[in-house]
Amino acid sequence: AQTVTQSQPEMSVQEAETVTLSCTYDTSESDYYLFWYKQPPSRQMILVIRQEAYKQQNATENRFSVNFQKAAKSFSLKISDSQLGDAAMYFCAYSQAGTALIFGKGTTLSVSS
Amino acid sequence: KAGVTQTPRYLIKTRGQQVTLSCSPISGHRSVSWYQQTPGQGLQFLFEYFSETQRNKGNFPGRFSGRQFSNSRSEMNVSTLELGDSALYLCASSLEPPRALNTGELFFGEGSRLTVL
Repeated sequence: AQTVTQSQPEMSVQEAETVTLSCTYDTSESDYYLFWYKQPPSRQMILVIRQEAYKQQNATENRFSVNFQKAAKSFSLKISDSQLGDAAMYFCAYSQAGTALIFGKGTTLSVSS
Repeated sequence: KAGVTQTPRYLIKTRGQQVTLSCSPISGHRSVSWYQQTPGQGLQFLFEYFSETQRNKGNFPGRFSGRQFSNSRSEMNVSTLELGDSALYLCASSLEPPRALNTGELFFGEGSRLTVL
């Protein structure tokens, strides 16, 4: 069965600095999708960024980018120029055709001014 | 465009009771998934519905059930509540079952916070 592991329960960063959240996953499949979701204190989860496993190029969305290492089964999220509004719980997730999203247990990110 | 709406937002029940939670997906979305979120277990998949049919089911006991109506609204029911059922229940919708579009992007509601005493 596929699993997603986030080894950092909590992280902190100062405004304008860069922080990297780690995620590893386990799968025997070659075709799948990886995601980072953000859950602010208001609780509504929103998609931050998505990566298709068949694409070698790392996905980027404004200040958010990923480092996708398929062989190592690693999928880290880098947040550049951190802002107070980035404070939230971040979930790494995995999916493939025919299955539901599998989430890691999350990393709580705090941002200080 | 209205987002995913979940009701009620908060509720308190006692052991042995049952509860029904409701989810209205984004207009035009036909797939609805349910997740249970707890501090210890994180987000765990309950079930997914598309066109009134359950397409996927997670590893939860039969006390957890759901259904989807013709207008895509979904309900989940938990019978004979246990203390361990206390959690945030999240509903998410998408245009098609995640498997069809292979994008997996889900749009989440704010959740229903269930406390079992």
